[in-house]
Order: sequence, then C-alpha cells, then structure tokens
Amino acid sequence: KAGVTQTPRYLIKTRGQQVTLSCSPISGHRSVSWYQQTPGQGLQFLFEYFSETQRNKGNFPGRFSGRQFSNSRSEMNVSTLELGDSALYLCASSLGQGELNTEAFFGQGTRLTVV
Amino acid sequence: AQSVTQLDSQVPVFEEAPVELRCNYSSSVSVYLFWYVQYPNQGLQLLLKYLSGSTLVKGINGFEAEFNKSQTSFHLRKPSVHISDTAEYFCAVSEYGNKLVFGAGTILRVKS
Repeated sequence: KAGVTQTPRYLIKTRGQQVTLSCSPISGHRSVSWYQQTPGQGLQFLFEYFSETQRNKGNFPGRFSGRQFSNSRSEMNVSTLELGDSALYLCASSLGQGELNTEAFFGQGTRLTVV
Repeated sequence: AQSVTQLDSQVPVFEEAPVELRCNYSSSVSVYLFWYVQYPNQGLQLLLKYLSGSTLVKGINGFEAEFNKSQTSFHLRKPSVHISDTAEYFCAVSEYGNKLVFGAGTILRVKS
C-alpha cells in the first residue's frame, strides 16, 4: 500500500512569490491535514480537508490556503511569501471518520526555503 | 484547548541503557494520545497510540508508554536503547485522527 506522497521534496522561492505544494493521501483516506514545522514554533496545524471541504483551520494568516480534489489529493498554497514561511510542510492523511479514524499517516514533507 | 508539554528538550543516554521521555497534556475532553518519531529530513512515523482500554501501550521498535489519567501524563519508555534510536520524538494529542496538537519535541541522543 503506497504511503502519503508529497511533491516536491525541496523548493526555493523568493520573497513575494507564491507557492503550491501537493499531497496525495493513502488510497481510501479522505482526510488530509497540513502542518508547518519550524525550529522556533515546532509543529503547528494549518488546516484539514475532508471530502473536499475544509473541516478545521489553525491559526495562520489568510495567505495560507488549501483545497482538496475529488480524488482526495490536496494542495496547499502560500501567497506573498515571507522569509518566516521557510519551513518543512508536512501532510498527513487519515480515514476521516468512523471508529478507525484514530491515526494520521505522514508524508516526508516539502522543505520550503524563502530567500 | 489542548496542549502538550514535553519536559525535556534533549535526553542523552548511553547505548543499551533504559530511557524515559516525558509528556504531559491538558485537555477538557477525552483525547487520543500518540508518540511519533522523526529522523533527520523525514516525516513523522507513529511509534504508538493510546485510544482507550489498557493504560500500558506497546509500540514498534520496543517502545512502550503508559497513560496516567490522574497525572495527565503519557511517558514513553524503552528498556534498552540502540544507536539507531537517535532521533526526535514528539508527543501529540487529538480529539480525532487528523488534527494533532504536538509537543515541542525531545531529541534523544544515544551515545556509544
């Protein structure tokens, strides 16, 4: 069974640009969540999508947005990049509902560097 | 609101010695508890989870954790560590599977 796939693995962008990150969840999983990991703030929840709808949102500015497609693949977009957006962005998938919805599986992450 | 406190930022230990990584949490509702491990430049791998039932939970790679509701703790233990256990360990809580609140992490350094 294939795991969670995030693309690209590494990305370098310039301040002011925008970026789109992609996440393909495990087959059959309908929930995708995004996390930002930085040395200063640690792991922080960005948002969760379930069946193409945002179900939960963390405390990030509106420059951070996401969407989910009908095949459960998800994209995350950051507009007007700032130096502080440099981070490892992790995607996690889970079943999304039911008694077995108790575990999130993580991808390897996308390392974004803003220069 | 939920929160997680990992009491040690770094834990050095010699190979084959036992180790305990401490985690305390706070939540106003029943939660699930997790320990994840992260190797350099990798994502997170689940070590073990507590959902309900027995308070002693066994995970992969010889790790186990004990849920203590009265002390709101979920400490991770291993009786004998290996060099390959060197990594960062994260304790996390959630009300359901895919919205996790993480602790700051504990770096386990195993020395030979």
